[in-house]
Formats: sequence, structure tokens, C-alpha cells
Amino acid sequence: GAGVSQSPSNKVTEKGKDVELRCDPISGHTALYWYRQSLGQGLEFLIYFQGNSAPDKSGLPSDRFSAERTGGSVSTLTIQRTQQEDSAVYLCASSLAPGQPEKGDYGYTFGSGTRLTVV
Amino acid sequence: AQSVTQLDSHVSVSEGTPVLLRCNYSSSYSPSLFWYVQHPNKGLQLLLKYTSAATLVKGINGFEAEFKKSETSFHLTKPSAHMSDAAEYFCVVSEYNQGGKLIFGQGTELSVKP
Repeated sequence: GAGVSQSPSNKVTEKGKDVELRCDPISGHTALYWYRQSLGQGLEFLIYFQGNSAPDKSGLPSDRFSAERTGGSVSTLTIQRTQQEDSAVYLCASSLAPGQPEKGDYGYTFGSGTRLTVV
Repeated sequence: AQSVTQLDSHVSVSEGTPVLLRCNYSSSYSPSLFWYVQHPNKGLQLLLKYTSAATLVKGINGFEAEFKKSETSFHLTKPSAHMSDAAEYFCVVSEYNQGGKLIFGQGTELSVKP
């Protein structure tokens, strides 16, 4: 697609429920990143995919958080047993050849995010 | 490990006056540096980026930033502020050996007074 698409755009869930957030990156972008932006905070790195593998998942806050990517394309971030502190905007970004600027534009495209509210 | 410090959480200027948003970084290798802007209830927009080419980088909307390795700084400037510049600004660092992972500063909120 023309941009990074995230769904849903808004999600309200009850504490303790599981949620799935979806990211559809730009076609051909091999790298995919998940970030979290809590109210009044900067963006916190969660996990990074290169193809279908996740070389760096160091930012996942707890084992309630997991993510997968299939077909080198769509990624799903799953939060189990949601807590109120999980409320935030979850942003996805994709990039072509990160860490390889000699291959061209070292750019990232961000989606519009999913606003998650846990009540 | 890389990190980013934005020295001001909030900056207020009058319309038509210069803007200076300060950023210092820490990086073990040659970093790439970015400035992103986020308007209220909007997505992130790339203002400019430094990737080891010219140290003075020009971006969109009249913004520019200078990479100073000796000072480990990448301050964002604009000669004359416009009301539409009011937004949150993020300084960001990335390292090639970290898979292109972006590390964001905490952000600086820019207010522009008429």
C-alpha cells in the first residue's frame, strides 16, 4: 500500500481482556518496528522485525506482550490480560534496508497508530 | 548504547522570532539523527535527517539542524516561528548496528505566541 496501515485506530477494552493490534507495512519494506507512546511521554521502542524474525524484542514491557510477523508483511502485536497502564498509542513503522544507507533513502514511515484505552 | 536527551521539555516563542530546540545524543558508533514533529492528534512527520553527509541539514518548513560531533549535539533551529509550528518535536537517534532501531528523546513542546 501507499503507507503504513494500522488497525483498529481506536480500541477500548476491559481490564483483563486480550487485544490484538495490526500493522500492515509498506509493500517491500523488510523492517518493521513497534513503538508505544504513553500520555505525555516520548516513544518507547517495543520490538523490531527483520523479515519474519525479531532480532530485538528488548522493549517488550512484560511477557503479556508478544508480536509476530508473517509473510514478511503484516504484523500483529498482542497484549494479554490488559492492564490500565497498557493504555497508550501504539505506533508501527516500516523501513527499507535499515542500517544500510548505501542502499538508498534511510527512511521510516510511521502509521497513524492505535489508541488503546483499558478501562 | 545510544540515547537522546532533549534539554527542554517546553519552549515558548513569539511568532516571527527564532526557534531553538536542543538535543544531545550518546552513541557508540556513527549515528543517524532525525527530528520528527507531531501535531496534536496527528501522526509523526519527518522534519529532517542526518546520515553522515553534510553536517548542516535542511528540512521542511524552514527548519534546519547542525550535527556537531565534538559537542554530541543536533539542535533544531528555525529563523522565524510561525503559529503552525506549535507542536511536539522529537529528536531521534539510530545506529546501523542496532538494526535501524530508533531511540526517541522525551520530546519538546513548542508553543508559539501571537
